[in-house]
Amino acid sequence: DSGVTQTPKHLITATGQRVTLRCSPRSGDLSVYWYQQSLDQGLQFLIQYYNGEERAKGNILERFSAQQFPDLHSELNLSSLELGDSALYFCASSQGQGRGNTIYFGEGSWLTVV
Amino acid sequence: GENVEQHPSTLSVQEGDSAVIKCTYSDSASNYFPWYKQELGKRPQLIIDIRSNVGEKKDQRIAVTLNKTAKHFSLHITETQPEDSAVYFCAAPGTYKYIFGTGTRLKVLA
Repeated sequence: DSGVTQTPKHLITATGQRVTLRCSPRSGDLSVYWYQQSLDQGLQFLIQYYNGEERAKGNILERFSAQQFPDLHSELNLSSLELGDSALYFCASSQGQGRGNTIYFGEGSWLTVV
Repeated sequence: GENVEQHPSTLSVQEGDSAVIKCTYSDSASNYFPWYKQELGKRPQLIIDIRSNVGEKKDQRIAVTLNKTAKHFSLHITETQPEDSAVYFCAAPGTYKYIFGTGTRLKVLA
């Protein structure tokens, strides 16, 4: 158990809908990272927050947004869903941000868009 | 730290043989290089890491070597076993972005 908690574990939804994925970082960690992993693909970096502030963006679509709340949990919002958004979405956390830090992954949220 | 190239993309070895996976990074300021193992449908898990003040680190059958001059680091697995079959990712984190290599699918053939 990494200490990073993600909910829901599985989600099936229809095209055009909106979903919210939730992440609680490890105790004491201030950074949260979101990644998308499509079938047999790598880890695509989406976005990173540190202590409530957005610090880095990757290849995140405009239909996607995220935030980190004062209690440090984070939510990833996916809207106007398309079939191609079906993927495993990982949240990870670290004590500091980026360079020099080890990040720990949650179990992921499986999103299926039908 | 924003550009990490990883090779090979797939690697098949006979059980008991060694496997080597190599990553190249572009940011001279990178100072920390972790390796993650991801089994099918599971989360990536840290298996070994190295900081820039050392050239090699070992943990049983796993080792990582770092060549800062050439900006590359490698994962070495000796005496491979079937349970080593997985996808392996390297990373060279930047100031904020934590970018991973494209992954290497290792198959250990019994």
